[in-house]
Amino acid sequence: KQEVTQIPAALSVPEGENLVLNCSFTDSAIYNLQWFRQDPGKGLTSLLLIQSSQREQTSGRLNASLDKSSGRSTLYIAASQPGDSATYLCAAHGGTSYGKLTFGQGTILTVHP
Amino acid sequence: NAGVTQTPKFQVLKTGQSMTLQCAQDMNHEYMSWYRQDPGMGLRLIHYSVGAGITDQGEVPNGYNVSRSTTEDFPLRLLSAAPSQTSVYFCASSYLAGGNEQFFGPGTRLTVL
Repeated sequence: KQEVTQIPAALSVPEGENLVLNCSFTDSAIYNLQWFRQDPGKGLTSLLLIQSSQREQTSGRLNASLDKSSGRSTLYIAASQPGDSATYLCAAHGGTSYGKLTFGQGTILTVHP
Repeated sequence: NAGVTQTPKFQVLKTGQSMTLQCAQDMNHEYMSWYRQDPGMGLRLIHYSVGAGITDQGEVPNGYNVSRSTTEDFPLRLLSAAPSQTSVYFCASSYLAGGNEQFFGPGTRLTVL
């Protein structure tokens, strides 16, 4: 059974810092890995999708990497801003149920001015 | 494109009542699914569908029914609501092929008294 863990559970940084969020998964037989952002009381917004054959994806100040062999993914946020404050979720897609996403518990990010 | 839409946004039920949570998408996605999000449990898959007329159970299907009569709609039915079904419900959709980036609706916050 796929299990996804995110570290740290919470992170507080001053504006302008570069930061890394970590995601690990137990079953490396994934189709892809997806990073989401969730604002309080809101739905999930897709940030980046990394296919199993890819090593990284970039979108603006966000860069996500994937190392299937070690079961790890990282989300790098450059030059953080207060508007980046949210919960970040990673989800592994794969295993026995095609389409099923297994989510981590999330990292709560606070960027203070 | 409206993306993935869900109604209602909020609902309060009494134990034993029934209701249907609505989900619709206008992206012609074959794959649709329902998740529930609970504190400390993360997001868990309830039911999913790979196309009209085809549904299957996810991780936590008990107490919920689904049907998929059209590509656009995927309603979730609670036949006899229980307090344990108090949660935030999210609907998601994606193409079956080509990367499968999943898109989520804004959620329905359900309270069962």
